[in-house]
Amino acid sequence: KNEVEQSPQNLTAQEGEFITINCSYSVGISALHWLQQHPGGGIVSLFMLSSGKKKHGRLIATINIQEKHSSLHITASHPRDSAVYICAGFDGGATNKLIFGTGTLLAVQP
Amino acid sequence: EAGVAQSPRYKIIEKRQSVAFWCNPISGHATLYWYQQILGQGPKLLIQFQNNGVVDDSQLPKDRFSAERLKGVDSTLKIQPAKLEDSAVYLCASSLGVLAGNTIYFGEGSWLTVV
Repeated sequence: KNEVEQSPQNLTAQEGEFITINCSYSVGISALHWLQQHPGGGIVSLFMLSSGKKKHGRLIATINIQEKHSSLHITASHPRDSAVYICAGFDGGATNKLIFGTGTLLAVQP
Repeated sequence: EAGVAQSPRYKIIEKRQSVAFWCNPISGHATLYWYQQILGQGPKLLIQFQNNGVVDDSQLPKDRFSAERLKGVDSTLKIQPAKLEDSAVYLCASSLGVLAGNTIYFGEGSWLTVV
């Protein structure tokens, strides 16, 4: 069992739909990244958060450190949002290693 | 602000050959990471530098992989000799430091195919 689990693994949505991707972790995490990876592309950091909620454009990320859960929401989804979304937590150790989630493949259809 | 630069973007080599990847982190970033991402899997940390010192290389296959970060800025990752299972994307990333409040920035990756 992965220390960082995401759900769903695959998600297909229609353009304009509200999308939620969930991330749960079984280890202590001091902060968490939400990352986006397009096919053939590098990884882009969308959010880094350790508490509460952050918003950037149509993207919203929330985290509850005590409940070991984070969510990424996309409002008014668009085909260009199609990508793999990965949550990754800092383990809080001396080197603050990132523990990566299993990834969610999102396809937004026009 | 310039991002993390990597080169080459794509490389195809035969097994047992050698290859080197270069990374230029964001200016001022003390921490530099090399990750290996095999198709369909999440990134795996190969090595982490703090300035020019290694802080974690526990998952680096040291019999064939080496990395250095001379002068605490640019870094190179070398594979010699390459094996078929080394086919992957090699991602370089950097951050201001190891504190959890520091965002990690990734490069576009160097795609390696070993045939």
